[in-house]
Amino acid sequence: DAKTTQPNSMESNEEEPVHLPCNHSTISGTDYIHWYRQLPSQGPEYVIHGLTSNVNNRMASLAIAEDRKSSTLILHRATLRDAAVYYCILRGLNLGVETSGSRLTFGEGTQLTVNP
Amino acid sequence: DTAVSQTPKYLVTQMGNDKSIKCEQNLGHDTMYWYKQDSKKFLKIMFSYNNKELIINETVPNRFSPKSPDKAHLNLHINSLELGDSAVYFCASSFYHEQYFGPGTRLTVT
Repeated sequence: DAKTTQPNSMESNEEEPVHLPCNHSTISGTDYIHWYRQLPSQGPEYVIHGLTSNVNNRMASLAIAEDRKSSTLILHRATLRDAAVYYCILRGLNLGVETSGSRLTFGEGTQLTVNP
Repeated sequence: DTAVSQTPKYLVTQMGNDKSIKCEQNLGHDTMYWYKQDSKKFLKIMFSYNNKELIINETVPNRFSPKSPDKAHLNLHINSLELGDSAVYFCASSFYHEQYFGPGTRLTVT
């Protein structure tokens, strides 16, 4: 499985933008870039995913480098509720069908602290 | 309405016992999973079922047996519990890219 590298921890101030980086230099052409987050004492929560183009949704934006070897999750205005562990995960999907090769493999993630 | 629910939320039991954790999803998803998160917070997949068929079975001891009576349910039965089984177990379901996780079951084996 292609690996991702993330900083162990980051800090931000409330209401400021946060840029969470992820390196994935061995990404393959069929790997989607997924981001999940895990708030304290909760299950992981889907944030966003993308393949080649930048993506926006109500939670965040995903900026993908042109060579796809890195990506950045952008929280436009951090709130205290955004304090969580953020996971960047590569996942291959074959025609949208789950296969043994398309599992989510969680790494250590980035612990985001948001200061009031 | 809760999308993915698990019962119980907490489970404390002694070594050697057999226990089950239940999971239900009301999202109509075809694929369901069990994950284990250990004390170091590493989250690892254990099993994946698609339409009641096992498609991922990681190197999990055969004391762990998932059972999917229908698409909406994936239960986890654990025989002869050991201290090392203490962890938080998460159930999840998915349709294409998004996985939805349950709130977790904290299992403590004493």
